[in-house]
Amino acid sequence: NAGVTQTPKFQVLKTGQSMTLQCAQDMNHNSMYWYRQDPGMGLRLIYYSASEGTTDKGEVPNGYNVSRLNKREFSLRLESAAPSQTSVYFCASKGTGSNTEAFFGQGTRLTVV
Amino acid sequence: GDSVTQMEGPVTLSEEAFLTINCTYTATGYPSLFWYVQYPGEGLQLLLKATKADDKGSNKGFEATYRKETTSFHLEKGSVQVSDSAVYFCALSDRGGATNKLIFGTGTLLAVQP
Repeated sequence: NAGVTQTPKFQVLKTGQSMTLQCAQDMNHNSMYWYRQDPGMGLRLIYYSASEGTTDKGEVPNGYNVSRLNKREFSLRLESAAPSQTSVYFCASKGTGSNTEAFFGQGTRLTVV
Repeated sequence: GDSVTQMEGPVTLSEEAFLTINCTYTATGYPSLFWYVQYPGEGLQLLLKATKADDKGSNKGFEATYRKETTSFHLEKGSVQVSDSAVYFCALSDRGGATNKLIFGTGTLLAVQP
């Protein structure tokens, strides 16, 4: 069972470069999420998509864009990377309803130099 | 907006000690509440959940009770093991409309020593 698959696992960018983090789920979930994890800050929500065709800002959306390409895929784009975006990024998906479990990818460790 | 506050770590315990990690929440409605665990180098995985007031979630010896009157969902375990060393996250999922928003606390690192 693949679950939630994120690519790449590691990435080093130079300041100002752009990149897209990919996420795909095979559980037919409606909702998908992007979080960043920083020491002492826990998981902070960047963007989420409650269903195909919709996206909403989370707590820390500045500097990021997202695309819900179809029900399976939800990508996160950094247009002009900054050192402050050095972090571990997690994608998650969740079924409909507040009581359903979220499933997480293995994370992408991004370093911006 | 909705938020989750959990006790800061790290929490360091000896094997077989009693564990409590405090979690309180703020929400406009009646959210579902979760505890997730993250082992080193991995993503998060669900530990337990509760969906309404007075529900008790339990799994692998861990328990947490949804207390609406104190807006709390504290995690407890009677006797921890070295293998329980991980980061624990409290989370809530709102019931409002179709947003299905999922909010996490800052996480609490638990280190269990033999």
